[in-house]
Amino acid sequence: NAGVTQTPKFRILKIGQSMTLQCTQDMNHNYMYWYRQDPGMGLKLIYYSVGAGITDKGEVPNGYNVSRSTTEDFPLRLELAAPSQTSVYFCASSYPGGYTEAFFGQGTRLTVV
Amino acid sequence: DQQVKQNSPSLSVQEGRISILNCDYTNSMFDYFLWYKKYPAEGPTFLISISSIKDKNEDGRFTVFLNKSAKHLSLHIVPSQPGDSAVYFCAATTLTGTASKLTFGTGTRLQVTL
Repeated sequence: NAGVTQTPKFRILKIGQSMTLQCTQDMNHNYMYWYRQDPGMGLKLIYYSVGAGITDKGEVPNGYNVSRSTTEDFPLRLELAAPSQTSVYFCASSYPGGYTEAFFGQGTRLTVV
Repeated sequence: DQQVKQNSPSLSVQEGRISILNCDYTNSMFDYFLWYKKYPAEGPTFLISISSIKDKNEDGRFTVFLNKSAKHLSLHIVPSQPGDSAVYFCAATTLTGTASKLTFGTGTRLQVTL
């Protein structure tokens, strides 16, 4: 039972480069999320999706893009990476409804130099 | 503007004793609260939750208390075990939202000593 799987686990990017963080879940959850966690801080919501073809901005969406073509996958795209995007990124998924917990992946540690 | 606050960055407790982790929130629209536990190099895992219509929820060694008038919740772990050593995040959300968009606190690192 894989749950939420993120790849890669670690990545170093140069300023201005682009990359896609992959996230897939096998729990048939409608809702998926991307969070980032900076040192000493809580997790902040970047983007979320309530189903295939539907995405919306969270608290800190600038510098990122997402797409949701299938229920299982929710990739996060970084265009023109900046040092401020150095962080640990977590993908999560949940069942519909506000009263449900989210299940998280193991995270991607990204460093922009 | 930090809507969910965990004012204690760290807490050290002896094995067998009670651990009490605190969380305060400012947004009165929050009506569902969760605690997540996080080990190093892993994603957060759900621990326990409470709805605003309750003031207490218990699951084994873990109990969450909610004081709506004070906008305060706490997580009690009794008895504490070495495996409980982790970072604990408090999170909050609103039922009116269409998704579990969680607002997290900054976390409290719990160390349970022998």
